[in-house]
Amino acid sequence: GENVEQHPSTLSVQEGDSAVIKCTYSDSASNYFPWYKQELGKRPQLIIDIRSNVGEKKDQRIAVTLNKTAKHFSLHITETQPEDSAVYFCAARMEYGNKLVFGAGTILRVKS
Amino acid sequence: NAGVTQTPKFQVLKTGQSMTLQCAQDMNHNSMYWYRQDPGMGLRLIYYSASEGTTDKGEVPNGYNVSRLNKREFSLRLESAAPSQTSVYFCASPGHLTQSEAFFGQGTRLTVV
Repeated sequence: GENVEQHPSTLSVQEGDSAVIKCTYSDSASNYFPWYKQELGKRPQLIIDIRSNVGEKKDQRIAVTLNKTAKHFSLHITETQPEDSAVYFCAARMEYGNKLVFGAGTILRVKS
Repeated sequence: NAGVTQTPKFQVLKTGQSMTLQCAQDMNHNSMYWYRQDPGMGLRLIYYSASEGTTDKGEVPNGYNVSRLNKREFSLRLESAAPSQTSVYFCASPGHLTQSEAFFGQGTRLTVV
């Protein structure tokens, strides 16, 4: 079955710096890779996603890159702000309706 | 349009008691999932249902049962609760091919004493 590994487990950056979180997946058939942000005591919320036919996707300060050959994908947050502080999860899914498997999460702290 | 509605929000059980967590979605989605979230463990899939009438085990199914009552509802049952099942439980439902993101319910904080 699918296995998703996420690094680092914690990340501290200075406000205005960039943050990068990396994930690897095991099942080469996976074709959908979302990223979620979870604030303390709240439900996870989708922030960006990418499909296997795309190498990079950007939405304002957030971007995701995908390397299907190496089976890894990354989240990039530029110009970080204190409100970006949260837990971030990557996930992978083989096809629609199949299992959506999550990484263990990254605690991001943005210091002002 | 409430999205994914999950009840209850909090629950305390004694070891050996049973309970059912309810989840309903009003987005006409086919798939629904149940996850548990423990500190440092991320979101682990308990069971999922790809469509009405089908259910499949996830990563951590032991001690749980599920029912996909209809397209809207997907319930999670603990037959004999154990302290190891203390966790936060989330129900989720992804969209269709063009909108595949999973929408999460508000979560259930379950404590088994």
